[in-house]
Amino acid sequence: EVQLVESGGGLVQPGGSLRLSCSASGFTVNRNALQWVRQAPGKGLQFVSFISADGGSTYYADSVKGRFTISRDDSENTLYLQMSSLAVEDTAVYYCTRDLRDWGQGTLVTVSP
Amino acid sequence: QSVLTQPPSASGTPGQKVTISCSGSSSNIGSNTVNWYQQLPGTAPKLLIHSDHQRPSGVPDRLTGSRSGTSASLAISGLRSEDEADYYCAVWDDNLDGPVFGGGTKLTVL
Repeated sequence: EVQLVESGGGLVQPGGSLRLSCSASGFTVNRNALQWVRQAPGKGLQFVSFISADGGSTYYADSVKGRFTISRDDSENTLYLQMSSLAVEDTAVYYCTRDLRDWGQGTLVTVSP
Repeated sequence: QSVLTQPPSASGTPGQKVTISCSGSSSNIGSNTVNWYQQLPGTAPKLLIHSDHQRPSGVPDRLTGSRSGTSASLAISGLRSEDEADYYCAVWDDNLDGPVFGGGTKLTVL
């Protein structure tokens, strides 16, 4: 059974940093495309970042480009999202997904003074 | 503002058929297949339809997806109270190099 479990969310001040983790089971991360998608309170879904199955390609939404970095640790079968220079507008539940088919339960990031 | 356009709300009575539309452009729906998701309050999105019309195991056949040109739609027949949720369409966008989502449609079962 495929499972994705996010962690690392929390309260952070504007300008701060946070690293989200997504622990995968039931499949290997280096054989699947993975994404981070976020949902601001009361809003819709928004693509954040993508990493290809071979790890050779990464994409970012314009709103996070230069501030967020997606990566993975194949030995830990875990996906990461390093977030820096966080702004109030980054407040959201962050989901990791496998090919937009399987989704984790999400982790809440709150950016507030 | 979302790249894909969905009606913000839809409604129907039990047993009725409801259709939710998703409008895009040549760089997304016009070129790539569409997924549909259901999101219940406080939960993660659940995949209902992938590759325009394919249902994952466990999704009932009263849900059907279709795509034509730069639009797609999700039809739910035999409406049930448990169908009350938010529904999102999603598709890869060749110009943006990433997936794009519709703004979501809140379905109310009257």
